[in-house]
Amino acid sequence: DAKTTQPNSMESNEEEPVHLPCNHSTISGTDYIHWYRQLPSQGPEYVIHGLTSNVNNRMASLAIAEDRKSSTLILHRATLRDAAVYYCIPRGAGSYQLTFGKGTKLSVIP
Amino acid sequence: EPEVTQTPSHQVTQMGQEVILRCVPISNHLYFYWYRQILGQKVEFLVSFYNNEISEKSEIFDDQFSVERPDGSNFTLKIRSTKLEDSAMYFCASSEQAGAAFMNTEAFFGQGTRLTVV
Repeated sequence: DAKTTQPNSMESNEEEPVHLPCNHSTISGTDYIHWYRQLPSQGPEYVIHGLTSNVNNRMASLAIAEDRKSSTLILHRATLRDAAVYYCIPRGAGSYQLTFGKGTKLSVIP
Repeated sequence: EPEVTQTPSHQVTQMGQEVILRCVPISNHLYFYWYRQILGQKVEFLVSFYNNEISEKSEIFDDQFSVERPDGSNFTLKIRSTKLEDSAMYFCASSEQAGAAFMNTEAFFGQGTRLTVV
């Protein structure tokens, strides 16, 4: 599995954009980049995923670097409900499992 | 919106007892998983299950653990003889795709069962 590096924690003010970075320099060419989050006392929740192009959905945007060694999850307007641990997870053909790291704990300040 | 449901939400058991954690995956999903999270630690993979057999398991998933899909809708995790270190949140997950498409597919997680072994 590709290794990932994420900041341990980040803070954002409510209603401001948040950019959550992830380095995955050992990612293989066919690995998708998935993002999940875990709200307090809940199960992980899918956020978004992509391969090469930038992706948008109703929850977030995913910006993938051209060399695919890093990606950034963008929450356009952080709400208090977005306070969670965010995990960047490369997902490739070698394994069916999701490998969770420590993630980034996002705090949202009202 | 379809969801993965897990029961019970909290289970307390005595050390050495058997426990069965139950999950109802999303109905058209083909791939099923169990993960666990010890308090304050990472989410850890236990096992994946497809086509009525285990497709992958971690080192944690030893002979004390077993999984079953008894009736086409439920997916269960059995711990034969619980230990104190089995205390954790256990999450069930399911995904729609199997085969080569799984990398491009999201997994849906349940809210978890908190297992406390005393």
